[in-house]
Amino acid sequence: SQQGEEDPQALSIQEGENATMNCSYKTSINNLQWYRQNSGRGLVHLILIRSNEREKHSGRLRVTLDTSKKSSSLLITASRAADTASYFCALIMNSGGYQKVTFGIGTKLQVIP
Amino acid sequence: ETGVTQTPRHLVMGMTNKKSLKCEQHLGHNAMYWYKQSAKKPLELMFVYSLEERVENNSVPSRFSPECPNSSHLFLHLHTLQPEDSALYLCASSLSGTGLTEAFFGQGTRLTVV
Repeated sequence: SQQGEEDPQALSIQEGENATMNCSYKTSINNLQWYRQNSGRGLVHLILIRSNEREKHSGRLRVTLDTSKKSSSLLITASRAADTASYFCALIMNSGGYQKVTFGIGTKLQVIP
Repeated sequence: ETGVTQTPRHLVMGMTNKKSLKCEQHLGHNAMYWYKQSAKKPLELMFVYSLEERVENNSVPSRFSPECPNSSHLFLHLHTLQPEDSALYLCASSLSGTGLTEAFFGQGTRLTVV
């Protein structure tokens, strides 16, 4: 399979708590990205981590990548109600000179005020 | 606003209709994508265009016909669809070939086939 698999599929937390989502994959990748999708809308890019990087931060987001285990995690610290959305990991593979982007089923995060 | 615009936002069509979805970007990207998002399924990559040439077609039924007249525009022509084709259709664009840039998505077209 060339798709990532997010875990858990659904997560419900209280505002202020941290949320951790995981992504596992089976193929070789160039980089991995995380996206967010509000209900019925398009996806918005959050963060990109290259295959030679282990950790990256962006504001309240922290992403890790372990290429030996073929897994990545997204941590959202001090969650807010506005973080309620679905989160997807995207596998980026170069294929014949173009960029192939595949997604998993996503983690649906609910942050309760 | 991501810079990728899809029209229409919502579309209801009968199984015998012919309609087209439009996607437009002026980000200078040279790769464009069509994805299908159905409930409880991963986003399905349907078509990829790189430098206006179709480079991937993931076994999509012929009732879906893409067209990329230039690097800024992408269409998805629809005809004789089935109810199971009802889904959110997302267009995206990126810089081709680098693998190091993000994909920018449109807001999607919510398609309902009746």
